[in-house]
Amino acid sequence: NAGVMQNPRHLVRRRGQEARLRCSPMKGHSHVYWYRQLPEEGLKFMVYLQKENIIDESGMPKERFSAEFPKEGPSILRIQQVVRGDSAAYFCASSPKAGGLNSYEQYFGPGTRLTVT
Amino acid sequence: GENVEQHPSTLSVQEGDSAVIKCTYSDSASNYFPWYKQELGKRPQLIIDIRSNVGEKKDQRIAVTLNKTAKHFSLHITETQPEDSAVYFCAASREAAGNKLTFGGGTRVLVKP
Repeated sequence: NAGVMQNPRHLVRRRGQEARLRCSPMKGHSHVYWYRQLPEEGLKFMVYLQKENIIDESGMPKERFSAEFPKEGPSILRIQQVVRGDSAAYFCASSPKAGGLNSYEQYFGPGTRLTVT
Repeated sequence: GENVEQHPSTLSVQEGDSAVIKCTYSDSASNYFPWYKQELGKRPQLIIDIRSNVGEKKDQRIAVTLNKTAKHFSLHITETQPEDSAVYFCAASREAAGNKLTFGGGTRVLVKP
């Protein structure tokens, strides 16, 4: 059973460019969460999605950031017009459908390390 | 919203000794408390978790305790080994909030051989 997959693993963008980060959840998981980790800091929640629905985006910056989880394909975190402060590791985590014995557990992908030059 | 405080921020122990990391949370409705281990440049890995209807849980050398009244929970690692060296994060969540995790600031554990 493949784990959570993210790509790319490393992404370099110049200021003003767009960054697209992809996350494929574990098989059988229908909940996806995105977290950001700044250097030497903890993880901060950004957004929670289920298929075709954004459930909670309370941690997303109001501008330039968006997320989706389409019916088919991976979840995408999109950052428009990147700035140096966006440099961080972006992790997604997936969780089984609600109500199961292990429905609380979140398993993390390897992360995408975004560097803005 | 939820706030999770974690102490200490760094912990150095001799191989074979025990390590204890403590966390407090603010939202009394939180009902799930996982612990993650993160090695340098790697993903956070779930190592143990506890739900609010349980006071203690153990898995080999690691154990977690929860005090709901005081709103704090702790990670205990016994017989530490060099491979236990990593950053450990506690977190809290509640089902009504979609189980989004609020993390503590992390504890950097160094086990000296």
